Amino acid sequence: SAVISQKPSRDICQRGTSLTIQCQVDSQVTMMFWYRQQPGQSLTLIATANQGSEATYESGFVIDKFPISRPNLTFSTLTVSNMSPEDSSIYLCSVLGGAWNTEAFFGQGTRLTVV
Amino acid sequence: AQKVTQAQTEISVVEKEDVTLDCVYETRDTTYYLFWYKQPPSGELVFLIRRNSFDEQNEISGRYSWNFQKSTSSFNFTITASQVVDSAVYFCALSPGNTPLVFGKGTRLSVIA
Repeated sequence: SAVISQKPSRDICQRGTSLTIQCQVDSQVTMMFWYRQQPGQSLTLIATANQGSEATYESGFVIDKFPISRPNLTFSTLTVSNMSPEDSSIYLCSVLGGAWNTEAFFGQGTRLTVV
Repeated sequence: AQKVTQAQTEISVVEKEDVTLDCVYETRDTTYYLFWYKQPPSGELVFLIRRNSFDEQNEISGRYSWNFQKSTSSFNFTITASQVVDSAVYFCALSPGNTPLVFGKGTRLSVIA
């Protein structure tokens, strides 16, 4: 199994500013994923972060708005840039593990409120 | 393409009632994995179960049980004798393995005392 530590757990930010969310895993993993969960909605995949390469973004998400770093096999950051109230969401990082990467592990989430 | 449908947006039950949460999935993969997660108001995702496509045995864990039927592409979740602490949003999810999970829209369960 993998244990994921995500920071901060929550934050209240002013519009126009940026917030960087950190995700630390207790073991080396190839792929890390970032999800967004808007209020009352399901989880939507933002991007896949592989170590040593550019993140792959899903439709509707762009690097300028959600830059991602993946400096090593245990750590990643997601930045929410130039925030607006519409960015208020829970952001979760996730990794795969277990046999054939069939188990999914999630951080405890970052609850972001933009005012 | 993978798709998960949870048709029930919200369900309210009175404590001690049984409740079934429906999940229907679509996939072209022959090997895949189905998941259920619970998300309490605190926001974290709590893993409940993972089932692979080759194992259609129903599973029971305490008050929780799951019914997997490949013939109808369904993976339903039943809570027996519901309790107030079961109030949460429940998500069904799907993955063929080695790829991120695709989630349904979730079902908000309210258990009233």
